[in-house]
Amino acid sequence: AQSVTQLDSHVSVSEGTPVLLRCNYSSSYSPSLFWYVQHPNKGLQLLLKYTSAATLVKGINGFEAEFKKSETSFHLTKPSAHMSDAAEYFCVVSPNGFQKLVFGTGTRLLVSP
Amino acid sequence: DAGITQSPRHKVTETGTPVTLRCHQTENHRYMYWYRQDPGHGLRLIHYSYGVKDTDKGEVSDGYSVSRSKTEDFLLTLESATSSQTSVYFCAISESSSDSYEQYFGPGTRLTVT
Repeated sequence: AQSVTQLDSHVSVSEGTPVLLRCNYSSSYSPSLFWYVQHPNKGLQLLLKYTSAATLVKGINGFEAEFKKSETSFHLTKPSAHMSDAAEYFCVVSPNGFQKLVFGTGTRLLVSP
Repeated sequence: DAGITQSPRHKVTETGTPVTLRCHQTENHRYMYWYRQDPGHGLRLIHYSYGVKDTDKGEVSDGYSVSRSKTEDFLLTLESATSSQTSVYFCAISESSSDSYEQYFGPGTRLTVT
């Protein structure tokens, strides 16, 4: 069975400091992996995706993630947090050749001035 | 933003009443999905559709039914609403030609069952 574990339910950073949101996955197949962001009272927006091409994936708003098969991880990073990054972030896995997505439980990012 | 709308955006209803939520897309995508979002659970798939009149169950389908009579519309029905169905419901779409199956989400419907 495919699953995703987001290791932190909340992460707090100061504006201008790096962001690290951790995600581990379990998949029997070669997966596609995604990060989505949800701002308060909004829908989910795709940040970036991994589809077995380059292992370092760049997304919108300065975010990037690195696929590490040996560690079954897909951590999300950003060099310098901005106040507008405060939101909930979801790590998502899609088994290869399969339309269904499996969501992690989310990490809430808090950014203080 | 993907052309996805959901209606209504907010609804309060009483236990035992039927409720229908509508998802409308203008992208002509083949796949459509209904999720519910609850604290501590992320998003969980209720039902999905892979074409007109073709639907299947997700992981939390009990108490819900769906219909898709046109490519652009996907309806979610709660036949007899219960308090446990109080949640935020999201519709999503995806295209079969995509190599990664990313989904695009609507703005959500907040449903409260009293």
